[in-house]
Amino acid sequence: DGGITQSPKYLFRKEGQNVTLSCEQNLNHDAMYWYRQDPGQGLRLIYYSQIVNDFQKGDIAEGYSVSREKKESFPLTVTSAQKNPTAFYLCASSTLDGRSYEQYFGPGTRLTVT
Amino acid sequence: DQQVKQNSPSLSVQEGRISILNCDYTNSMFDYFLWYKKYPAEGPTFLISISSIKDKNEDGRFTVFLNKSAKHLSLHIVPSQPGDSAVYFCAASVGGGADGLTFGKGTHLIIQP
Repeated sequence: DGGITQSPKYLFRKEGQNVTLSCEQNLNHDAMYWYRQDPGQGLRLIYYSQIVNDFQKGDIAEGYSVSREKKESFPLTVTSAQKNPTAFYLCASSTLDGRSYEQYFGPGTRLTVT
Repeated sequence: DQQVKQNSPSLSVQEGRISILNCDYTNSMFDYFLWYKKYPAEGPTFLISISSIKDKNEDGRFTVFLNKSAKHLSLHIVPSQPGDSAVYFCAASVGGGADGLTFGKGTHLIIQP
Protein backbone atom coordinates (compact mmCIF):
# COMPACT_ATOMS: atom_id res chain seq x y z
CA ASP A 1 0.00 0.00 0.00
CA GLY A 2 1.39 3.38 -0.97
CA GLY A 3 1.01 6.21 1.45
CA ILE A 4 2.37 8.48 4.13
CA THR A 5 2.99 7.26 7.65
CA GLN A 6 3.46 9.38 10.73
CA SER A 7 4.44 8.04 14.08
CA PRO A 8 3.49 8.06 16.81
CA LYS A 9 -0.19 9.02 16.71
CA TYR A 10 0.00 10.65 20.15
CA LEU A 11 3.10 12.06 21.80
CA PHE A 12 3.55 13.56 25.26
CA ARG A 13 6.59 15.54 26.37
CA LYS A 14 7.66 17.72 29.21
CA GLU A 15 8.36 21.37 28.59
CA GLY A 16 12.00 22.01 27.72
CA GLN A 17 12.52 18.72 25.89
CA ASN A 18 13.13 18.41 22.16
CA VAL A 19 10.97 15.89 20.35
CA THR A 20 11.19 14.45 16.83
CA LEU A 21 8.14 13.52 14.78
CA SER A 22 8.52 10.92 12.07
CA CYS A 23 7.19 11.13 8.51
CA GLU A 24 7.80 8.47 5.84
CA GLN A 25 6.33 8.15 2.35
CA ASN A 26 6.57 5.38 -0.23
CA LEU A 27 4.85 7.30 -3.03
CA ASN A 28 8.16 8.29 -4.64
CA HIS A 29 7.13 11.92 -4.22
CA ASP A 30 9.78 14.59 -4.59
CA ALA A 31 8.37 17.15 -2.19
CA MET A 32 7.47 16.83 1.47
CA TYR A 33 5.83 19.31 3.84
CA TRP A 34 5.11 19.85 7.52
CA TYR A 35 2.04 21.72 8.75
CA ARG A 36 0.56 22.31 12.16
CA GLN A 37 -3.10 22.67 13.02
CA ASP A 38 -4.43 24.38 16.13
CA PRO A 39 -8.06 24.17 17.29
CA GLY A 40 -10.39 26.16 15.06
CA GLN A 41 -7.55 27.06 12.75
CA GLY A 42 -6.42 26.08 9.30
CA LEU A 43 -3.16 24.34 8.58
CA ARG A 44 0.00 26.46 8.68
CA LEU A 45 3.20 25.58 6.84
CA ILE A 46 6.27 24.95 8.98
CA TYR A 47 8.92 23.61 6.57
CA TYR A 48 9.06 22.01 3.16
CA SER A 49 11.58 20.18 1.03
CA GLN A 50 11.58 19.69 -2.74
CA ILE A 51 14.77 17.65 -2.97
CA VAL A 52 17.03 15.58 -0.74
CA ASN A 53 19.42 17.59 1.44
CA ASP A 54 17.53 20.83 0.83
CA PHE A 55 14.60 22.44 2.64
CA GLN A 56 12.95 25.83 3.07
CA LYS A 57 11.22 27.60 5.92
CA GLY A 58 7.48 28.02 5.79
CA ASP A 59 5.36 30.62 7.53
CA ILE A 60 6.00 29.46 11.12
CA ALA A 61 9.46 27.83 11.16
CA GLU A 62 10.71 29.35 14.42
CA GLY A 63 11.38 26.70 17.05
CA TYR A 64 11.40 23.83 14.54
CA SER A 65 14.09 22.02 12.57
CA VAL A 66 13.99 19.41 9.80
CA SER A 67 16.27 17.18 7.76
CA ARG A 68 15.88 15.42 4.41
CA GLU A 69 18.61 12.83 4.16
CA LYS A 70 16.46 10.40 2.19
CA LYS A 71 13.71 11.01 -0.35
CA GLU A 72 11.30 8.91 1.69
CA SER A 73 11.81 10.59 5.06
CA PHE A 74 11.29 14.10 6.43
CA PRO A 75 11.47 14.17 10.25
CA LEU A 76 10.46 17.29 12.18
CA THR A 77 12.09 18.26 15.47
CA VAL A 78 10.11 20.47 17.81
CA THR A 79 12.69 22.22 19.94
CA SER A 80 12.38 23.77 23.36
CA ALA A 81 12.48 27.17 21.63
CA GLN A 82 8.99 26.62 20.20
CA LYS A 83 6.75 28.65 22.51
CA ASN A 84 3.46 26.79 21.89
CA PRO A 85 4.37 23.28 20.74
CA THR A 86 1.10 21.57 21.66
CA ALA A 87 -0.71 21.04 18.34
CA PHE A 88 -1.71 18.51 15.68
CA TYR A 89 1.17 18.03 13.24
CA LEU A 90 0.57 16.91 9.67
CA CYS A 91 3.05 15.74 7.08
CA ALA A 92 2.27 15.83 3.37
CA SER A 93 3.96 14.96 0.11
CA SER A 94 3.50 15.69 -3.56
CA THR A 95 5.01 14.90 -6.90
CA LEU A 96 6.64 17.77 -8.76
CA ASP A 97 5.86 16.44 -12.23
CA GLY A 98 3.45 18.55 -14.21
CA ARG A 99 2.20 22.02 -13.46
CA SER A 100 0.15 21.59 -10.32
CA TYR A 101 0.74 19.53 -7.28
CA GLU A 102 -1.88 18.05 -5.03
CA GLN A 103 -0.55 17.33 -1.59
CA TYR A 104 -1.40 14.08 0.14
CA PHE A 105 -1.42 13.98 3.90
CA GLY A 106 -0.48 11.48 6.56
CA PRO A 107 -2.71 10.69 9.56
CA GLY A 108 -1.04 13.26 11.83
CA THR A 109 0.68 13.28 15.22
CA ARG A 110 -0.92 15.00 18.19
CA LEU A 111 1.81 16.45 20.39
CA THR A 112 1.04 17.53 23.93
CA VAL A 113 3.69 19.38 25.92
CA THR A 114 3.10 19.99 29.63
CA ASP B 1 -3.43 38.82 7.59
CA GLN B 2 -5.47 35.88 6.41
CA GLN B 3 -5.05 35.34 2.69
CA VAL B 4 -7.64 32.56 2.42
CA LYS B 5 -10.92 33.05 4.23
CA GLN B 6 -13.78 30.70 4.90
CA ASN B 7 -16.30 32.91 6.59
CA SER B 8 -18.79 30.23 7.58
CA PRO B 9 -17.47 28.14 10.49
CA SER B 10 -20.33 25.70 10.04
CA LEU B 11 -23.07 24.77 7.58
CA SER B 12 -26.03 22.46 8.05
CA VAL B 13 -27.66 20.84 4.98
CA GLN B 14 -30.35 18.26 4.60
CA GLU B 15 -29.40 14.91 3.10
CA GLY B 16 -30.01 14.85 -0.67
CA ARG B 17 -29.81 18.64 -1.04
CA ILE B 18 -26.92 20.68 -2.43
CA SER B 19 -24.12 21.82 -0.12
CA ILE B 20 -22.29 25.00 -1.12
CA LEU B 21 -19.08 25.89 0.68
CA ASN B 22 -17.50 29.26 0.02
CA CYS B 23 -13.96 30.56 0.09
CA ASP B 24 -12.48 34.01 -0.56
CA TYR B 25 -8.86 34.94 -1.12
CA THR B 26 -6.90 38.17 -1.17
CA ASN B 27 -3.64 37.26 -2.90
CA SER B 28 -4.03 37.82 -6.65
CA MET B 29 -0.90 35.71 -7.25
CA PHE B 30 -2.68 32.51 -6.24
CA ASP B 31 -3.03 30.33 -9.32
CA TYR B 32 -4.07 26.95 -7.96
CA PHE B 33 -6.86 26.13 -5.55
CA LEU B 34 -7.77 22.93 -3.74
CA TRP B 35 -10.45 21.59 -1.43
CA TYR B 36 -9.72 19.09 1.31
CA LYS B 37 -12.04 17.13 3.57
CA LYS B 38 -11.00 16.35 7.12
CA TYR B 39 -12.33 14.20 9.92
CA PRO B 40 -11.23 14.85 13.53
CA ALA B 41 -7.78 13.51 14.44
CA GLU B 42 -7.09 12.47 10.83
CA GLY B 43 -5.14 13.97 7.96
CA PRO B 44 -7.00 15.95 5.28
CA THR B 45 -8.10 14.09 2.17
CA PHE B 46 -7.75 15.77 -1.21
CA LEU B 47 -11.11 16.28 -2.94
CA ILE B 48 -10.78 18.45 -6.00
CA SER B 49 -8.66 21.25 -7.41
CA ILE B 50 -8.84 23.98 -10.01
CA SER B 51 -6.27 25.99 -11.89
CA SER B 52 -6.73 29.73 -12.35
CA ILE B 53 -7.03 29.23 -16.10
CA LYS B 54 -10.36 27.48 -15.56
CA ASP B 55 -13.61 28.58 -13.97
CA LYS B 56 -15.10 25.18 -13.26
CA ASN B 57 -13.93 21.67 -12.49
CA GLU B 58 -16.18 18.71 -11.86
CA ASP B 59 -15.54 15.30 -10.33
CA GLY B 60 -18.57 13.17 -9.60
CA ARG B 61 -20.70 14.83 -6.93
CA PHE B 62 -18.13 17.59 -6.41
CA THR B 63 -17.83 20.76 -8.50
CA VAL B 64 -15.54 23.69 -7.81
CA PHE B 65 -16.26 27.11 -9.30
CA LEU B 66 -13.69 29.87 -9.50
CA ASN B 67 -14.51 33.56 -9.96
CA LYS B 68 -11.16 35.29 -10.33
CA SER B 69 -12.53 38.81 -10.60
CA ALA B 70 -14.28 38.36 -7.24
CA LYS B 71 -11.41 36.30 -5.78
CA HIS B 72 -13.97 33.72 -4.77
CA LEU B 73 -14.35 30.00 -5.12
CA SER B 74 -17.02 27.60 -4.07
CA LEU B 75 -17.41 23.86 -3.67
CA HIS B 76 -20.75 22.31 -4.58
CA ILE B 77 -21.65 18.85 -3.35
CA VAL B 78 -24.75 17.32 -4.84
CA PRO B 79 -26.51 15.32 -3.62
CA SER B 80 -25.23 15.64 -0.06
CA GLN B 81 -24.77 12.37 1.81
CA PRO B 82 -24.29 11.60 5.53
CA GLY B 83 -20.65 10.63 4.91
CA ASP B 84 -20.01 14.18 3.68
CA SER B 85 -20.22 15.47 7.25
CA ALA B 86 -16.69 16.73 7.96
CA VAL B 87 -14.60 19.89 8.02
CA TYR B 88 -13.78 21.24 4.56
CA PHE B 89 -10.67 23.30 3.98
CA CYS B 90 -10.05 25.59 1.07
CA ALA B 91 -6.36 25.97 0.11
CA ALA B 92 -4.49 28.10 -2.40
CA SER B 93 -1.01 28.35 -3.80
CA VAL B 94 1.29 30.30 -6.07
CA GLY B 95 3.06 28.39 -8.82
CA GLY B 96 1.01 25.23 -8.58
CA GLY B 97 1.71 24.41 -4.94
CA ALA B 98 5.33 23.26 -4.91
CA ASP B 99 6.17 25.80 -2.20
CA GLY B 100 3.30 24.80 0.05
CA LEU B 101 -0.36 25.64 0.47
CA THR B 102 -2.17 28.44 2.30
CA PHE B 103 -5.27 27.17 4.07
CA GLY B 104 -8.49 28.73 5.26
CA LYS B 105 -9.81 27.95 8.74
CA GLY B 106 -12.34 25.44 7.48
CA THR B 107 -16.10 25.00 7.38
CA HIS B 108 -17.77 22.24 9.37
CA LEU B 109 -20.42 20.69 7.13
CA ILE B 110 -23.20 18.79 8.89
CA ILE B 111 -25.53 16.68 6.79
CA GLN B 112 -28.84 16.14 8.52
CA PRO B 113 -31.06 13.11 7.76
